Amino acid sequence: KAGVTQTPRYLIKTRGQQVTLSCSPISGHRSVSWYQQTPGQGLQFLFEYFSETQRNKGNFPGRFSGRQFSNSRSEMNVSTLELGDSALYLCASSPETPEEPQHFGDGTRLSIL
Amino acid sequence: QKEVEQNSGPLSVPEGAIASLNCTYSDRGSQSFFWYRQYSGKSPELIMSIYSNGDKEDGRFTAQLNKASQYVSLLIRDSQPSDSATYLCAVNPWGHTGGFKTIFGAGTRLFVKA
Repeated sequence: KAGVTQTPRYLIKTRGQQVTLSCSPISGHRSVSWYQQTPGQGLQFLFEYFSETQRNKGNFPGRFSGRQFSNSRSEMNVSTLELGDSALYLCASSPETPEEPQHFGDGTRLSIL
Repeated sequence: QKEVEQNSGPLSVPEGAIASLNCTYSDRGSQSFFWYRQYSGKSPELIMSIYSNGDKEDGRFTAQLNKASQYVSLLIRDSQPSDSATYLCAVNPWGHTGGFKTIFGAGTRLFVKA
């Protein structure tokens, strides 16, 4: 079974730009969560999507948004990029319920110049 | 603020020894608990999941959960140099109705000396 696929793997952007990251979950997984990982803050929860609806949201500004499509693929968008948005963005998928653990993709490393 | 706390380490153990990693969490109602291993430059990899009090064993790994003490631990028996990584404790506050809002600890760096 293929794992969680994130594209692109690396991105370089400049301040003020916007970026869209993509995540394809493991086949059959309907829950997709996004996390930001930085050396200073560690792994922080951004949001979770389930059946095309945002089910949970972390404490990030509105510049961070996401969506999920009917095939469970998800995208995350960051607008008006700031230097502090430089991070590894990780997507994790899971089956129906939180009793099932999440499995992570390889991540997208975003660098802001 | 719901928190998950881990000793950042580094924890250094000789090859073949038992490594003991600990984690405490603040939300008493938390339902699901996970241990992930993360190698430098890689994404987290699930090691263990545990949902009820007691021990859960999988190969060289044993997870222990004590909800009354709000404490989760991971024991690695017969530690190998390949176990050298950062171990992340993760806690999901809600059960089957709430979805995921997983909180991760900062991680404990483990070094296994050959």
